[in-house]
Amino acid sequence: QQQVKQSPQSLIVQKGGISIINCAYENTAFDYFPWYQQFPGKGPALLIAIRPDVSEKKEGRFTISFNKSAKQFSLHIMDSQPGDSATYFCAASIEGGATNKLIFGTGTLLAVQP
Amino acid sequence: KAGVTQTPRYLIKTRGQQVTLSCSPISGHRSVSWYQQTPGQGLQFLFEYFSETQRNKGNFPGRFSGRQFSNSRSEMNVSTLELGDSALYLCASRFGQGVSSGANVLTFGAGSRLTVL
Repeated sequence: QQQVKQSPQSLIVQKGGISIINCAYENTAFDYFPWYQQFPGKGPALLIAIRPDVSEKKEGRFTISFNKSAKQFSLHIMDSQPGDSATYFCAASIEGGATNKLIFGTGTLLAVQP
Repeated sequence: KAGVTQTPRYLIKTRGQQVTLSCSPISGHRSVSWYQQTPGQGLQFLFEYFSETQRNKGNFPGRFSGRQFSNSRSEMNVSTLELGDSALYLCASRFGQGVSSGANVLTFGAGSRLTVL
């Protein structure tokens, strides 16, 4: 029940295309859902986060869509660029993220081809 | 503003040895956490500290321990190293406890890559 399932494991997108990464969870106590981006040799960096009281959040080219009833959330990267090539992790936690204990998905390796 | 600093960045140990990793959080951040990242298990939570007190602990054996000092710097120790302990150990910090928003979000360091031979 503590798992966050992430798909796909890897994704190849053409420059200018839309990248979509999906995550699903079981624990209804989760109420904070961040997405992290990790480049080789670096630690994960927060990209965007959402709480279950909204169905969508957009920041620049990055959008989180949240479906509370289905217990699913997804990251959309619009106009994907080669610089977006990285590993993306979804995560979930409780108490609005008041705890640092994030449950991470297994990651999606995104390659954006020029 | 300097980020989360972890030392050493790379180290090699042999089975049975112990290792201590260090983390300096972002200035002003009082909450520090540690994660283990491996290709097989992904990112797994180890511990969380705030004001020198462990607030949360993940499902790791007692060989994994940590502490936080009064200046918020943190160390983690792994004793009796096993081959499976080879991983990237990530430290993350944020300002304080309470909901994550604005500046109070978890920021990760680049990690300490441990190889156990």
